[in-house]
Amino acid sequence: DSGVTQTPKHLITATGQRVTLRCSPRSGDLSVYWYQQSLDQGLQFLIQYYNGEERAKGNILERFSAQQFPDLHSELNLSSLELGDSALYFCASSVGRGQGTTGELFFGEGSRLTVL
Amino acid sequence: AQSVSQHNHHVILSEAASLELGCNYSYGGTVNLFWYVQYPGQHLQLLLKYFSGDPLVKGIKGFEAEFIKSKFSFNLRKPSVQWSDTAEYFCAVHPWASIKAAGNKLTFGGGTRVLVKP
Repeated sequence: DSGVTQTPKHLITATGQRVTLRCSPRSGDLSVYWYQQSLDQGLQFLIQYYNGEERAKGNILERFSAQQFPDLHSELNLSSLELGDSALYFCASSVGRGQGTTGELFFGEGSRLTVL
Repeated sequence: AQSVSQHNHHVILSEAASLELGCNYSYGGTVNLFWYVQYPGQHLQLLLKYFSGDPLVKGIKGFEAEFIKSKFSFNLRKPSVQWSDTAEYFCAVHPWASIKAAGNKLTFGGGTRVLVKP
């Protein structure tokens, strides 16, 4: 158990819909990262938040957005869903209070999104 | 920006065979290096990491990796694999220069899928 919690574990929805994925980082970690993993694209970094602020952006589509709340949990919002958005979405956390980033991430178990 | 290359996309081998997965990175400065493993249906877990010191790093489940600075490589090895080592393995690199920046500079390789036949 990495200490990172993601909900829901599985989600099935239709094209055009909107979903929200939730992540709670490890206790004491300030950073939350979102990754998308699909068969054709592999592991893709989407976005990172550090202590409530966006810190880094990767290959995140404009239809996707995220935020990190004062209690440090994060939500990834996916809208106008397309078939190609079907993937496993991982959240990871790192960086305890007062620490630098070594690059070591702790991953949650992921949310598997299926768009029909 | 740094990049990470994993030479093999798929590896199939029998139990008790030796495993070596290649990983090369491109970056001019000092880096932290990682191998993550993803077992079927599970999340990524840290297998081992290298920050500094002895370039031969031992991780969990009998895995080890060797950092060769001159070759920009961090190859993963296991002398004798088991069926339970069937998984996808990811090499990752994080520059030291970004350690205090709290921004995501961790770069993953494309992954190598390993299938161990019983």
